[in-house]
Amino acid sequence: DSGVTQTPKHLITATGQRVTLRCSPRSGDLSVYWYQQSLDQGLQFLIQYYNGEERAKGNILERFSAQQFPDLHSELNLSSLELGDSALYFCASSVAAGPYEQYFGPGTRLTVT
Amino acid sequence: DAKTTQPPSMDCAEGRAANLPCNHSTISGNEYVYWYRQIHSQGPQYIIHGLKNNETNEMASLIITEDRKSSTLILPHATLRDTAVYYCIVITTSGTYKYIFGTGTRLKVLA
Repeated sequence: DSGVTQTPKHLITATGQRVTLRCSPRSGDLSVYWYQQSLDQGLQFLIQYYNGEERAKGNILERFSAQQFPDLHSELNLSSLELGDSALYFCASSVAAGPYEQYFGPGTRLTVT
Repeated sequence: DAKTTQPPSMDCAEGRAANLPCNHSTISGNEYVYWYRQIHSQGPQYIIHGLKNNETNEMASLIITEDRKSSTLILPHATLRDTAVYYCIVITTSGTYKYIFGTGTRLKVLA
């Protein structure tokens, strides 16, 4: 158990819909990262937040947005969903903003039908 | 950011050392080498990281060549539970970070 929690574990929704994925970092960690992993593909870095501020941006679509709240939990919002958005979405946390080791949650499996 | 190259797959006999190579020929002086692994579809797990010197922890050893253009992750006594995808990534210590995991090496430990 990494100490990072993600909800929900599974999510099934239809094309065009909007969903919100939630992540709670390990106690004491200030940085949160979001990744997308499509079937049989590597991890794609989406975005990083540190202490409430956006810190780094990867290949995140404009239809996707994220935020980190004062209690340090984070949410990833996915809108106008397409079939290709079906994937595992992982959240990770680290103690600070730098290249520290990241601790990953169990992921949310999103299926868009 | 430096790119890494790893073999797509490797096999290793149980109990033997597993040596996983990673090429990062464009690495710069302020970039660390990190290793993670992912078992099935679980969240990736941090293994080890290093800058210049070789590193060892309870999970593995990391050998970085003197020119830093390549590294090897060593699992000293592989078990069936080490079957996973192993990712080598390079992360800079300054500026904006981008965490490029690539497709990794699928290690299969054979009984």
